[in-house]
Amino acid sequence: EAQVTQNPRYLITVTGKKLTVTCSQNMNHEYMSWYRQDPGLGLRQIYYSMNVEVTDKGDVPEGYKVSRKEKRNFPLILESPSPNQTSLYFCASIGLAEMHNEQFFGPGTRLTVL
Amino acid sequence: DAKTTQPNSMESNEEEPVHLPCNHSTISGTDYIHWYRQLPSQGPEYVIHGLTSNVNNRMASLAIAEDRKSSTLILHRATLRDAAVYYCILGNYGGSQGNLIFGKGTKLSVKP
Repeated sequence: EAQVTQNPRYLITVTGKKLTVTCSQNMNHEYMSWYRQDPGLGLRQIYYSMNVEVTDKGDVPEGYKVSRKEKRNFPLILESPSPNQTSLYFCASIGLAEMHNEQFFGPGTRLTVL
Repeated sequence: DAKTTQPNSMESNEEEPVHLPCNHSTISGTDYIHWYRQLPSQGPEYVIHGLTSNVNNRMASLAIAEDRKSSTLILHRATLRDAAVYYCILGNYGGSQGNLIFGKGTKLSVKP
């Protein structure tokens, strides 16, 4: 089954404690991205990657890092989380040959930073 | 980025058709029109997309105005499972490729 998986699904942490949210897709997609969703602000793109070892900033990249060492994985790293990063996070992927087609989203990771 | 305008909310009865409107008066010639929906506690889910012609798939139909300044997502027979927030999004993959600009969407309620 084609899917995007994220782990963990729920996380409560404290300010300053480094964390990583993993994202994996099984569709051999080149393009992967991270979004955050906040009430009243909709989904906003954090970072994206066009392929292995190629990453770039989205609309709200401050406080986040990503890496793309393998095609299937695109982890989101919060080196020093702060309460304003409390949000619902979604990973998404799509094949470059079909960029105007369906993007696949993961189930979401709800992060709370105390 | 081209913007879309949707009603905040709509209601429908189960088994009846639903027409969800979207205005996009500043659409450019290369913008695709996408519809995604988000069920409670889930990630966005693709519904349908089109460029100029009307489109049908197993989930819905997309009717695009001749001038492309508006479109309508049609759910032919609403079910309770169709209760979700529906997003109309314009996609132009030249710049920040793949970045879908989500607005506030239309919250669809379906009554049994």
